[in-house]
Amino acid sequence: AQTVTQSQPEMSVQEAETVTLSCTYDTSESDYYLFWYKQPPSRQMILVIRQEAYKQQNATENRFSVNFQKAAKSFSLKISDSQLGDAAMYFCAYRGPTGANSKLTFGKGITLSVRP
Amino acid sequence: NAGVTQTPKFQVLKTGQSMTLQCAQDMNHEYMSWYRQDPGMGLRLIHYSVGAGITDQGEVPNGYNVSRSTTEDFPLRLLSAAPSQTSVYFCASSYWGGGYTFGSGTRLTVV
Repeated sequence: AQTVTQSQPEMSVQEAETVTLSCTYDTSESDYYLFWYKQPPSRQMILVIRQEAYKQQNATENRFSVNFQKAAKSFSLKISDSQLGDAAMYFCAYRGPTGANSKLTFGKGITLSVRP
Repeated sequence: NAGVTQTPKFQVLKTGQSMTLQCAQDMNHEYMSWYRQDPGMGLRLIHYSVGAGITDQGEVPNGYNVSRSTTEDFPLRLLSAAPSQTSVYFCASSYWGGGYTFGSGTRLTVV
């Protein structure tokens, strides 16, 4: 079974600085998808970024980018120019390619605080 | 565009009562899932579906039933509520290979 590990329960960053959130996963598949979700205090789950395993290029979305290391099964999220609105819980998630493997498996999440 | 609609947003049940959490999506997504979120546990998969008429168990299925008679709807039934089922429940849907879109969640308390 696929597993997703987020080993840091909490992190803190100064406003305008850069922070990196770590994630590792375990799978025997060669084709899959990885995601980072943000959950602010409103409880809504918001998709931040998506990475397809067959693509070597790291995904970027504005201030958010990933460092995808397929061989190491590592998928970290970098937030640049951190803003107060970035304070939230962040979840790393894995999705297999098809059928029963297409369900989304989450890590336990990391709480990010942003210091003004 | 409504996306994924979950009802109710809040619910209090007595131990032993049954209820259905409703979930509907208007994006014609094949895949739908139910998760529960508990402090320190992340989101754990209860049941999921890869299409109408097809459902399967996730990580924590005990005490819950699902059915998928249409593409749009994926209700979650609590058969006999227990305090251990106090949690926040999320429904989500997706197309193949995409990220899942989540509903706004249901906070359920079982007393």
